[in-house]
Amino acid sequence: DAKTTQPNSMESNEEEPVHLPCNHSTISGTDYIHWYRQLPSQGPEYVIHGLTSNVNNRMASLAIAEDRKSSTLILHRATLRDAAVYYCILRNIYNQGGKLIFGQGTELSVKP
Amino acid sequence: GAVVSQHPSWVICKSGTSVKIECRSLDFQATTMFWYRQFPKQSLMLMATSNEGSKATYEQGVEKDKFLINHASLTLSTLTVTSAHPEDSSFYICSASSPVYGQGNSPLHFGNGTRLTVT
Repeated sequence: DAKTTQPNSMESNEEEPVHLPCNHSTISGTDYIHWYRQLPSQGPEYVIHGLTSNVNNRMASLAIAEDRKSSTLILHRATLRDAAVYYCILRNIYNQGGKLIFGQGTELSVKP
Repeated sequence: GAVVSQHPSWVICKSGTSVKIECRSLDFQATTMFWYRQFPKQSLMLMATSNEGSKATYEQGVEKDKFLINHASLTLSTLTVTSAHPEDSSFYICSASSPVYGQGNSPLHFGNGTRLTVT
């Protein structure tokens, strides 16, 4: 699976939107863009994933660039509970089995 | 949704003893399970992949005789840290996958981790 690049850390204020960027310039046409987050002392938690079109769910939105070389995870109103490390990971459609290789992720801190 | 349960959530053991960590898929049959290790302020590092009924595949640099993995059923995999030493203290996390969840367009599910402290 292709590699992703994320900022090491970001800060946000509570109840403001947060845009977490991810670059994946070597993405292939069959790579899905997945986002997971890890709260302190917990296992990773699935957030959202997409292929080409923007995606929304109850947790977040995923905006995917037209050339698919970058994407942005959007938390519409950050809460203190959103403070976590966010991982952007590419998973190929033919990646059978579920093996994930984690990068360093973005540590999001939320200020009250 | 799929649930993966990991037990215990934390354990303290003495140097030289062995510790077993369980990972269970509660509502689906996990044909494949993955074990990760995470040191403080670092990302998750994949240790090994286990397929039900066969030997685990270990990542480079992971000692298979030290980290014994058993995946004897479709709902349970165990990781045994043998002759544990303080440098084995870490956060161990499992994830479980199936032919459905293993596809690239499906979410993956993780246990809540086990904090191992070796004194």
